[in-house]
Amino acid sequence: QSALTQPRSVSGSPGQSVTISCTGTSSDVGSYNYVSWYQQHPGKAPKLMIYDVSKRPSGVPDRFSGSKSGNTASLTISGLQAEDEGDYYCCSYAGTYTFAVFGTGTRVTVL
Amino acid sequence: QLQLQESGPGLVKPSETLSLTCSVSGGSISYSSNFWGWVRQPPGKDLEWIGSIYYGGSTYYNPSLKSRVTISVDTSKNQFSLRLSSVTAADTAVYYCARQQPRGALVVVPAAFDSWGQGTLVTVSS
Repeated sequence: QSALTQPRSVSGSPGQSVTISCTGTSSDVGSYNYVSWYQQHPGKAPKLMIYDVSKRPSGVPDRFSGSKSGNTASLTISGLQAEDEGDYYCCSYAGTYTFAVFGTGTRVTVL
Repeated sequence: QLQLQESGPGLVKPSETLSLTCSVSGGSISYSSNFWGWVRQPPGKDLEWIGSIYYGGSTYYNPSLKSRVTISVDTSKNQFSLRLSSVTAADTAVYYCARQQPRGALVVVPAAFDSWGQGTLVTVSS
């Protein structure tokens, strides 16, 4: 099972919107609505930002949103803020033998 | 508020077995339908799912690590554990334990990792 493909980096100015793509296959992202997104700051554990493609856990700002089309999931950060800088990983359920496959990670930089 | 905490040796010799324990507080590890998983991250690299255990004891492993991994649960101590045998330098990583949300009705599967431990660095070196 290969890792999901994400852009290595994206950047934006404060207040702008950025979108991170997460491309998988028909065996993972394309087959299940169990895509999640994680934010990770240096030296910290990942934090769940989006689950079940588009749902936000309590406490996650509504400027974070998720979607999916075919084999590609996306995370959009609207109204970018300085504290949104960090690494973002997508993850998908991939069937009976691979419960979780992570993406290659995207570094978000706030200019 | 569920809290998870990893513990175990920070240094393991090549060819030996890495053993880590995850202590869970703020909730029962045997709560119906919960999945508990291990994820690792080599320094400067990406996250990798190692394996998961269902509350009833069924285990599921990353195919690439399956021959070396054992995950078990101790409900009396509210803990679950990871053993990775025959380690090499490539197994040097921060190891995280986490809870996975159960999803589905007829067939329950694990989805998002919604609570994480802080992580523990394990270095494989002689």
